[in-house]
Amino acid sequence: DAGVIQSPRHEVTEMGQEVTLRCKPISGHNSLFWYRQTMMRGLELLIYFNNNVPIDDSGMPEDRFSAKMPNASFSTLKIQPSEPRDSAVYFCASSFTAVIQETQYFGPGTRLLVL
Amino acid sequence: GENVEQHPSTLSVQEGDSAVIKCTYSDSASNYFPWYKQELGKRPQLIIDIRSNVGEKKDQRIAVTLNKTAKHFSLHITETQPEDSAVYFCAASKTGANNLFFGTGTRLTVIP
Repeated sequence: DAGVIQSPRHEVTEMGQEVTLRCKPISGHNSLFWYRQTMMRGLELLIYFNNNVPIDDSGMPEDRFSAKMPNASFSTLKIQPSEPRDSAVYFCASSFTAVIQETQYFGPGTRLLVL
Repeated sequence: GENVEQHPSTLSVQEGDSAVIKCTYSDSASNYFPWYKQELGKRPQLIIDIRSNVGEKKDQRIAVTLNKTAKHFSLHITETQPEDSAVYFCAASKTGANNLFFGTGTRLTVIP
């Protein structure tokens, strides 16, 4: 299994531009998570999906952030317009959750720099 | 909601010594406790996890203990090696909730 796949791995953009981050979860997993990691705030959960349905988006910083999961094998996190304070590493993670909690597997992350 | 606290934030040990990282949680319904290791510039990776039906779990040089009454769990690394240097995160979750609540991380440095 290839594991969780994220693209792009690095993104440099200018303030005001739209940024789209992509994630392909591990095949068979039914939960998908988007995290943001910074030195100041640590690892923050932004949103998670279960069976393609957004369950909790309380971590999404503001309306500039949106996430979709159109099918079980693909999700996007979009920032529009981007701001310098959005610079961070964005991780996608997936897990299989049924009766009991199972472990989350993280993707390699997208390192975003907004100038 | 759940609140996970992790201590210490930084830890330096001599190679060969043991390292202990402690976490507390607030939700007594939490029953799943994974530990992740994150090397510089890499993704968090699971190193060990424990469920609330056991008090201790061991995997070679790594062990985790859980005290449900006190609502705390700990990571123990014995015979530390330089490659153990990383940031370690504890987390907690419960049945019926998909999300993990993470601690703030411990930066472990093993001095050769």
